[in-house]
Amino acid sequence: AQKITQTQPGMFVQEKEAVTLDCTYDTSDPSYGLFWYKQPSSGEMIFLIYQGSYDQQNATEGRYSLNFQKARKSANLVISASQLGDSAMYFCAMRSGGSYIPTFGRGTSLIVHP
Amino acid sequence: EAGVVQSPRYKIIEKKQPVAFWCNPISGHNTLYWYRQNLGQGPELLIRYENEEAVDDSQLPKDRFSAERLKGVDSTLKIQPAELGDSAVYLCASSSRQTGVSSYNEQFFGPGTRLTVL
Repeated sequence: AQKITQTQPGMFVQEKEAVTLDCTYDTSDPSYGLFWYKQPSSGEMIFLIYQGSYDQQNATEGRYSLNFQKARKSANLVISASQLGDSAMYFCAMRSGGSYIPTFGRGTSLIVHP
Repeated sequence: EAGVVQSPRYKIIEKKQPVAFWCNPISGHNTLYWYRQNLGQGPELLIRYENEEAVDDSQLPKDRFSAERLKGVDSTLKIQPAELGDSAVYLCASSSRQTGVSSYNEQFFGPGTRLTVL
């Protein structure tokens, strides 16, 4: 079974500062993929970044980077230089064990203050 | 390029009534997903289609839920009869053909249909 845990229900950050959103996962399968999605109030899920379990380097996409610590089973999302438009729900997700069905965490609400 | 289209955006019905949701995926995407997102939760997969074939439907409550993707393009999800606990956002997503589990295969989501059952 696969499990995703996001322990921060809400986070606040000042505009232009960096913020880290936590995600831990649990799987016994050596092959898996980790995802982060952003869900603004409009409702659609927007893909941000992907990390494969065999990837040698941490994934980066613009202001988003994934701090992948395999031994700790953590895949934290780092957003640099926060913008007001970053205010949204953020979901961590994983696929593993030969399943194409992703498991999502409960999400973290991020609010960026001006 | 148009994204994933869903309609309606909002639906309010009384319990025991039927309801249907429609999804048109991104052109050329073979894989289509229906998710249910309860308030304060992440999305949970209901069913996944590869073209017109339902390949993952173990989470679909088959006594009241049904889905179809007849020509392998757009899809309809139906609930009959609806119950109070069905109130949620129903999200549709699509992606190009799946490869390995640990490979990059982005899902594109629609805006969802917010269902309220009274």
